[in-house]
Amino acid sequence: DAGVIQSPRHEVTEMGQEVTLRCKPISGHDYLFWYRQTMMRGLELLIYFNNNVPIDDSGMPEDRFSAKMPNASFSTLKIQPSEPRDSAVYFCASSYSNRVNEQFFGPGTRLTVL
Amino acid sequence: AQSVTQPDIHITVSEGASLELRCNYSYGATPYLFWYVQSPGQGLQLLLKYFSGDTLVQGIKGFEAEFKRSQSSFNLRKPSVHWSDAAEYFCAVQEYGNKLVFGAGTILRVKS
Repeated sequence: DAGVIQSPRHEVTEMGQEVTLRCKPISGHDYLFWYRQTMMRGLELLIYFNNNVPIDDSGMPEDRFSAKMPNASFSTLKIQPSEPRDSAVYFCASSYSNRVNEQFFGPGTRLTVL
Repeated sequence: AQSVTQPDIHITVSEGASLELRCNYSYGATPYLFWYVQSPGQGLQLLLKYFSGDTLVQGIKGFEAEFKRSQSSFNLRKPSVHWSDAAEYFCAVQEYGNKLVFGAGTILRVKS
């Protein structure tokens, strides 16, 4: 069974550009989480979905960040416009609702904004 | 809000030695607690979890953790460390809903 899939694995872009990160959760999982990891702030939850509906986006840092989950097998995290301080590793994770918080993480996308 | 403290940023142990990584949490009710491991360049992998019942929980890769309510702690242990255990370890507590709050992490280095 494939794990959580994220693409791209690495992204280098210039300040002001739009960045789209993609995630495919494990089939059958009904929760999806987006995290950001930096040296300064550690691992932060940005937003999570249940059954494709955003439940809590209080961790989204600014209006420049947006996330969607158009169906159960795909989610995107978009940054527009990107800034150098957005440089981080972004993780997607998914879980079953009946196995509370045993979250399965993807390999992450390392974003560098120049 | 709930919080998790991992007091040790770095720990170095010799291969074959025992290991204990500390974790303290702040939570009003009975917490759901987790330990995750992150190898370089990879995502986090669940090592073990505590929901209720026996306060000593066993996980993968020979790890165990003990929940101590009186000390608000959930320390991770391993009797004999292998070089492949070098990684970063995160303690986490479940907050309301399905949110996890992570500690800052402890980087484990293993000396040969």
